[in-house]
Amino acid sequence: NAGVTQTPKFQVLKTGQSMTLQCAQDMNHEYMSWYRQDPGMGLRLIHYSVGAGITDQGEVPNGYNVSRSTTEDFPLRLLSAAPSQTSVYFCASSPRDDESDTQYFGPGTRLTVL
Amino acid sequence: GENVEQHPSTLSVQEGDSAVIKCTYSDSASNYFPWYKQELGKRPQLIIDIRSNVGEKKDQRIAVTLNKTAKHFSLHITETQPEDSAVYFCAASRGDYKLSFGAGTTVTVRA
Repeated sequence: NAGVTQTPKFQVLKTGQSMTLQCAQDMNHEYMSWYRQDPGMGLRLIHYSVGAGITDQGEVPNGYNVSRSTTEDFPLRLLSAAPSQTSVYFCASSPRDDESDTQYFGPGTRLTVL
Repeated sequence: GENVEQHPSTLSVQEGDSAVIKCTYSDSASNYFPWYKQELGKRPQLIIDIRSNVGEKKDQRIAVTLNKTAKHFSLHITETQPEDSAVYFCAASRGDYKLSFGAGTTVTVRA
């Protein structure tokens, strides 16, 4: 299994541009989420999904859209990039298991908005 | 929403000594408390977790303790080694898969 994969690894955008960060998992996990990591602030939840066709907002959703058309994929869209969205973005997945909320993180995408 | 505070922000220990990181949480409904280790440029990796029906959990040199009454939990690393140098994050969840993270502790193990 490849686990959780993310593309691209690095991206530079200009203010106002749009782009999609890709996330895929091959573990048949129902739950997927997106976090952003900024220095001194830990990880903050942007959006999450409990299954195909179901998404909801996290702590910092403004400026981002998500969709979940398949179990495997959970892309994050930046509609109009702003410098405040410069960050490292992590996708995570988790099986819906009453015994564990363990989340498995992807390798991250480092985004810079100029 | 949940608020998780983590202390200290940096911690320097001599190799072989113990390291302790403490976190407090605000939501009394939180029932799952994982700890993640993140090496420079890498993804967060789960190292240990604890549920609210357990007071302590150990895995080799790592242990986590939970005080539900006081709403705080701690990570203990014994016999620290250079490879323990990393950023450690605590987190809390209501069991709904939405993790609230602390700000992180940078641990440096001096040889």
